[in-house]
Amino acid sequence: QQQVKQSPQSLIVQKGGISIINCAYENTAFDYFPWYQQFPGKGPALLIAIRPDVSEKKEGRFTISFNKSAKQFSLHIMDSQPGDSATYFCALNDYKLSFGAGTTVTVRA
Amino acid sequence: SQTIHQWPATLVQPVGSPLSLECTVEGTSNPNLYWYRQAAGRGLQLLFYSVGIGQISSEVPQNLSASRPQDRQFILSSKKLLLSDSGFYLCAWSISSGNTIYFGEGSWLTVV
Repeated sequence: QQQVKQSPQSLIVQKGGISIINCAYENTAFDYFPWYQQFPGKGPALLIAIRPDVSEKKEGRFTISFNKSAKQFSLHIMDSQPGDSATYFCALNDYKLSFGAGTTVTVRA
Repeated sequence: SQTIHQWPATLVQPVGSPLSLECTVEGTSNPNLYWYRQAAGRGLQLLFYSVGIGQISSEVPQNLSASRPQDRQFILSSKKLLLSDSGFYLCAWSISSGNTIYFGEGSWLTVV
């Protein structure tokens, strides 16, 4: 049973463009919403995370937007660079992480 | 600082053969430990997690098993591999009260 639905499955963006990945969840009990970044052949690593008491968190070119009433949160990658090409996973955390299906981002130079 | 080691990095095994993947964590005590599997181009599926020595919870029924013989050691095993067991296996850890999960480098398993 997947607790978080992630979209799109993949996206291609030009260098300098904006990448947007969305996640929707059902259970309102979660209090921590992380995003993980995974490069090919490597394990995922925490990229950025947000708690539901704020609506937005920005770290460099990466921003999480959180809409508690809609039960949605999204990752925005501003000024996308070729080095951002990776798979991104949203996740929900109770006693363990439940991951979304992942979004493969390709940034074209 | 904490580190996680996972091995072997790559292995090719025939159908019906046994499997043992090992993971150790350094620099922390009493971590939560996890085994995830990632099929090619797919998401992350939690297989097992452990909150302490000898305490294993299974998330999905399968022919795999996990053991935690020591505080910072986590082992994934199978007595007889199936073709469908092929994939990228990831060990991970977190502090018992923490939200962040830290992944190892992964083990590529190909069952032929």
